[in-house]
Amino acid sequence: QKEVEQDPGPLSVPEGAIVSLNCTYSNSAFQYFMWYRQYSRKGPELLMYTYSSGNKEDGRFTAQVDKSSKYISLFIRDSQPSDSATYLCAMSAGSNDYKLSFGAGTTVTVRA
Amino acid sequence: GAGVSQSPSNKVTEKGKDVELRCDPISGHTALYWYRQSLGQGLEFLIYFQGNSAPDKSGLPSDRFSAERTGGSVSTLTIQRTQQEDSAVYLCASSLGVGRAHPEQYFGPGTRLTVT
Repeated sequence: QKEVEQDPGPLSVPEGAIVSLNCTYSNSAFQYFMWYRQYSRKGPELLMYTYSSGNKEDGRFTAQVDKSSKYISLFIRDSQPSDSATYLCAMSAGSNDYKLSFGAGTTVTVRA
Repeated sequence: GAGVSQSPSNKVTEKGKDVELRCDPISGHTALYWYRQSLGQGLEFLIYFQGNSAPDKSGLPSDRFSAERTGGSVSTLTIQRTQQEDSAVYLCASSLGVGRAHPEQYFGPGTRLTVT
């Protein structure tokens, strides 16, 4: 079993819909949680960072972390065709262990 | 400002040859990371630098892989005697520091390595 599980999709939604992405993890030491967006043949771009449990909102993006369930989510409101990309969750334990463990990535297509 | 840069963007090499991949982190970022992204394995951690020292090399897949960082800035990842399974995109990331205040890692565009 992988340390971080993420459904690879693909996920296809109409423009304007809410995109819902999630990851589960097994390592209870994880306390730093990030979401990256990766376009084809490009490097991952940091979208959101959350420390420990809670919600964080930035424009159309909302990240949620539930450490008790070892479950994190990313919501994209009013999705646009430019949001079509692969979304990767990543997490680290901190405390001298800062390497990121990644999910497999979910491929999202927003249809115009 | 300038982001993380990597060179070359693409590298094709013959099996058995050595390759060097370069990473220029964001100016002022003290932590630097190397990852590898391949179809079958996803994104995997290779090595982490804090300044010029590497406290975590746990992800290096074999002793053919090595990395160094000089002047607290540029890093080079070297793969000796390349094998076909080394074909992947090698990604570099940097962060302002480590710990609760600055854990966010920013990635470069990657070097696509193909071993023929």
